[in-house]
Amino acid sequence: GESVGLHLPTLSVQEGDNSIINCAYSNSASDYFIWYKQESGKGPQFIIDIRSNMDKRQGQRVTVLLNKTVKHLSLQIAATQPGDSAVYFCAETGSGGYQKVTFGTGTKLQVIP
Amino acid sequence: GAGVSQSPSNKVTEKGKDVELRCDPISGHTALYWYRQSLGQGLEFLIYFQGNSAPDKSGLPSDRFSAERTGGSVSTLTIQRTQQEDSAVYLCASSPRAYEQYFGPGTRLTVT
Repeated sequence: GESVGLHLPTLSVQEGDNSIINCAYSNSASDYFIWYKQESGKGPQFIIDIRSNMDKRQGQRVTVLLNKTVKHLSLQIAATQPGDSAVYFCAETGSGGYQKVTFGTGTKLQVIP
Repeated sequence: GAGVSQSPSNKVTEKGKDVELRCDPISGHTALYWYRQSLGQGLEFLIYFQGNSAPDKSGLPSDRFSAERTGGSVSTLTIQRTQQEDSAVYLCASSPRAYEQYFGPGTRLTVT
């Protein structure tokens, strides 16, 4: 069946450096891809999403890149800060209104001061 | 404004007992989702409600699990005859539009 997976379970980054979190997906029919951040003891927090007809979208200090050819999604965090330490999940969903959202297993980002 | 709230925050129950978990979504959000998250794992979809449409129950792991949403607002997830493998954090999310979910803090369920 379709799945959304992550390449690396843990990523350690020096404070101030840029972080890149990767995600692979297998459902070519996915229309929206979403990144969530989950801090310890809290529910996931929406960061940014991107539609399948786009290949790049920028937010505040974050950029999401989508490569549909290789079914790859990445989240780039600029100038990583200690507050960015969390688990990051990619998720995908179909089109046509509210749909079941499928989450990946998560990447833990550790920021080294 | 108020976010999604869930109660209780922690629940310890004995194997075989029934439990009810409550979710209060953000007012005006038409969709509501339930997920389960085991320690160190991703989110497992359980069920979602959208307006007056029939809920999508495709993620419920067994018939011991059920959920209701009353008046298009508050939702209750019920687990009957709890088993140890039901131990997890149960997360609720509400959504104002299809691709943006706002999560509550979760209910940590421990079945002893």
